[in-house]
Amino acid sequence: DQQVKQNSPSLSVQEGRISILNCDYTNSMFDYFLWYKKYPAEGPTFLISISSIKDKNEDGRFTVFLNKSAKHLSLHIVPSQPGDSAVYFCAASGARGATNKLIFGTGTLLAVQP
Amino acid sequence: EPEVTQTPSHQVTQMGQEVILRCVPISNHLYFYWYRQILGQKVEFLVSFYNNEISEKSEIFDDQFSVERPDGSNFTLKIRSTKLEDSAMYFCASRRTSGETDTQYFGPGTRLTVL
Repeated sequence: DQQVKQNSPSLSVQEGRISILNCDYTNSMFDYFLWYKKYPAEGPTFLISISSIKDKNEDGRFTVFLNKSAKHLSLHIVPSQPGDSAVYFCAASGARGATNKLIFGTGTLLAVQP
Repeated sequence: EPEVTQTPSHQVTQMGQEVILRCVPISNHLYFYWYRQILGQKVEFLVSFYNNEISEKSEIFDDQFSVERPDGSNFTLKIRSTKLEDSAMYFCASRRTSGETDTQYFGPGTRLTVL
């Protein structure tokens, strides 16, 4: 059941450049999308989110873009820093009342080279 | 900053034994979740809990699993008879409101190893 897909298992970027991580989804009922960052042996850390009524949300170096017609979202990190090296998970939830379980993608390992 | 905590960080058990994983959600949060991540796989939803009852559970969450909020601060996941395939990282998460855009915050996880 691949409702949320991250097709790039890894990405390598030079420090100071832009990192672009992509995510696709298939369920049109999803209306809230989140990006989490995860280090090995730690829990996912919330980064940024976007509601389906928006197409962009920005927080410091992090910007998330949502293209509902394409069922695609992306996370831009600029400028990238070595401390950004981690696995990034895209997650989605739908309007299902109080549950709001998250459906995760498989993650993209970002390596920022100094 | 408030955070979700989980104990133990690592639990090793023999197949067939019962384990209890513990979580302390953020204090003013009302919605609680368990997820798991088998090594090399995606994070998967197990169960959600609100108002002292399960609100949704996945196919993974069979009769061997149960959850409880025994004292208003702890949130536990019990596996009655562990199997080898239960080996995974188990993450607890909590959320404050019923707002559909409210964010879930995750604990650091418990690594469960079933031998």
